[in-house]
Amino acid sequence: RKEVEQDPGPFNVPEGATVAFNCTYSNSASQSFFWYRQDCRKEPKLLMSVYSSGNEDGRFTAQLNRASQYISLLIRDSKLSDSATYLCVVNGKGSARQLTFGSGTQLTVLP
Amino acid sequence: EAGVAQSPRYKIIEKRQSVAFWCNPISGHATLYWYQQILGQGPKLLIQFQNNGVVDDSQLPKDRFSAERLKGVDSTLKIQPAKLEDSAVYLCASSLRQGTNTIYFGEGSWLTVV
Repeated sequence: RKEVEQDPGPFNVPEGATVAFNCTYSNSASQSFFWYRQDCRKEPKLLMSVYSSGNEDGRFTAQLNRASQYISLLIRDSKLSDSATYLCVVNGKGSARQLTFGSGTQLTVLP
Repeated sequence: EAGVAQSPRYKIIEKRQSVAFWCNPISGHATLYWYQQILGQGPKLLIQFQNNGVVDDSQLPKDRFSAERLKGVDSTLKIQPAKLEDSAVYLCASSLRQGTNTIYFGEGSWLTVV
């Protein structure tokens, strides 16, 4: 089983739509969770951290379910500029707590 | 503030040849990472340095890959000899300290092995 699993998509949605991405992780000891965004042929960049109580940043809402080891990202009112790959990231095993990346979910927002 | 610098941006080599990538992290960042990202996959950690010491290199194919950070600042990742399956983007990243939640990536070095 992969440490971090995501639905690869692709998700093709019209502008203005709401879209949700899911992610599961295998290491129950993980303590930190994130969503990174990666534009085509660019480096990953931090989109937002994910907190146990759920958190929102504008049109983006992230939620964490520790019991189910499940993370989600909801994007409301999608914009063309949201087109990218969204990477689910979890701090992994070992004392250094390195970040482990999922394979990403590709989103294309259509005009 | 300058970001993570990497070079070269693109490299095409034949299998069995060698290649080296260079990375200069954000000033003051003690922790440096090398990730490998194969097309369609997420970044996979190859090696992590804390200053000039190796913290984790468990996923580094040591028969062909090597990395160093001799003075605790910039770093070099070498592949020798390269295989076709090494074709990937090699991303360098840095963070202020080990275990921090935010890491910053460079633009990556794109390697094609033919």
